[in-house]
Amino acid sequence: DSGVTQTPKHLITATGQRVTLRCSPRSGDLSVYWYQQSLDQGLQFLIQYYNGEERAKGNILERFSAQQFPDLHSELNLSSLELGDSALYFCASSVGGSGGENEQFFGPGTRLTVL
Amino acid sequence: GQSLEQPSEVTAVEGAIVQINCTYQTSGFYGLSWYQQHDGGAPTFLSYNGLDGLEETGRFSSFLSRSDSYGYLLLQELQMKDSASYFCAVREHRGGSYIPTFGRGTSLIVHP
Repeated sequence: DSGVTQTPKHLITATGQRVTLRCSPRSGDLSVYWYQQSLDQGLQFLIQYYNGEERAKGNILERFSAQQFPDLHSELNLSSLELGDSALYFCASSVGGSGGENEQFFGPGTRLTVL
Repeated sequence: GQSLEQPSEVTAVEGAIVQINCTYQTSGFYGLSWYQQHDGGAPTFLSYNGLDGLEETGRFSSFLSRSDSYGYLLLQELQMKDSASYFCAVREHRGGSYIPTFGRGTSLIVHP
């Protein structure tokens, strides 16, 4: 158990819909990262927040957005869902956010299925 | 394009030693990390190399050569439970941010 929690574990929805994935980092960690993992793409970095502020942005679609709240939990919002958005979405946390930390702790993931 | 290259699959027998290679092309290199992921599970951190040389953690070792843009993960005394995917990862400094980038992963299959 990494100490990172993600809800829900599974999510099944239809194309065109909007969903929200939730992540709580390990106690004391200020950074939250979001990743998308699909069979043919591996682990793709989406976005990082550090202490409530966006810190780094990866290959995140405009239909996707995220935020980190004052209690440090984070939410990833996915809208206008397409079949290709079906994937495992991981949240990870780390202590720092400036790039000096090397270890990220991953949550169990949310499996999103878009029908 | 893909910044990291690693083999898609490696097979070995229980008790053997296996090496998983990773080559990278990045700007602003800040170290190479390795993660293990069992089927359906979350990636877990194994090791990090910031400087050239070998880092050892129990049965696992990781090596880095920055001049060759190359690293490897060495797994000794293989056990069935080591069957998993192994990812190398780097942090690239781009546009003032540190971007984590993962390889596509190497599936290790350990046979009895």
